[in-house]
Amino acid sequence: DVKVTQSSRYLVKRTGEKVFLECVQDMDHENMFWYRQDPGLGLRLIYFSYDVKMKEKGDIPEGYSVSREKKERFSLILESASTNQTSMYLCASSTTTLGQLWAFFGQGTRLTVV
Amino acid sequence: QKEVEQNSGPLSVPEGAIASLNCTYSDRGSQSFFWYRQYSGKSPELIMFIYSNGDKEDGRFTAQLNKASQYVSLLIRDSQPSDSATYLCAPQSGGSNYKLTFGKGTLLTVNP
Repeated sequence: DVKVTQSSRYLVKRTGEKVFLECVQDMDHENMFWYRQDPGLGLRLIYFSYDVKMKEKGDIPEGYSVSREKKERFSLILESASTNQTSMYLCASSTTTLGQLWAFFGQGTRLTVV
Repeated sequence: QKEVEQNSGPLSVPEGAIASLNCTYSDRGSQSFFWYRQYSGKSPELIMFIYSNGDKEDGRFTAQLNKASQYVSLLIRDSQPSDSATYLCAPQSGGSNYKLTFGKGTLLTVNP
């Protein structure tokens, strides 16, 4: 079974802190994604990566950065956490089989910024 | 702005009925379309995908795609209370770098 593991299930951070959310997948997938999910707004793509050290902005990249130094690990960084970044963060990974993106999600990290 | 629109919920159907979930998309370059199911408090899980015009059936689920109308739907036959969840439509953008974006989802409740 594909396993996508996020480092924390719940996280509480203070405004202004630098926050790292880690995601690891064990299926040698090329693509990895970071989303945030908020009530009424659905899943919004923050960043994605299609190869090691490669990244592309999603729909809401402001206030975030990412790092992918190894194929299995994709980190989301909040440079200076703010209360409007309180959200559920979901990591996903996918391979591209016959051109199809088969994405599998981690369990999510509920981040609260106080 | 490329958008994915899903029929607003919540959608409530009686057990045994057909549930119809609809999705329209604006990116004509989208080639493949995925349906995810998300139970409350859980992560989304892939249930179906479709990339050719027409219907694709998998058990009680049927995905329908009409690229000319930029419309994709998911039908759930013989709905069960265990089908109660939020259903997310996700078109896959074309191009060399794959990007997966989601609609806001439709909450389905199947009443016993």
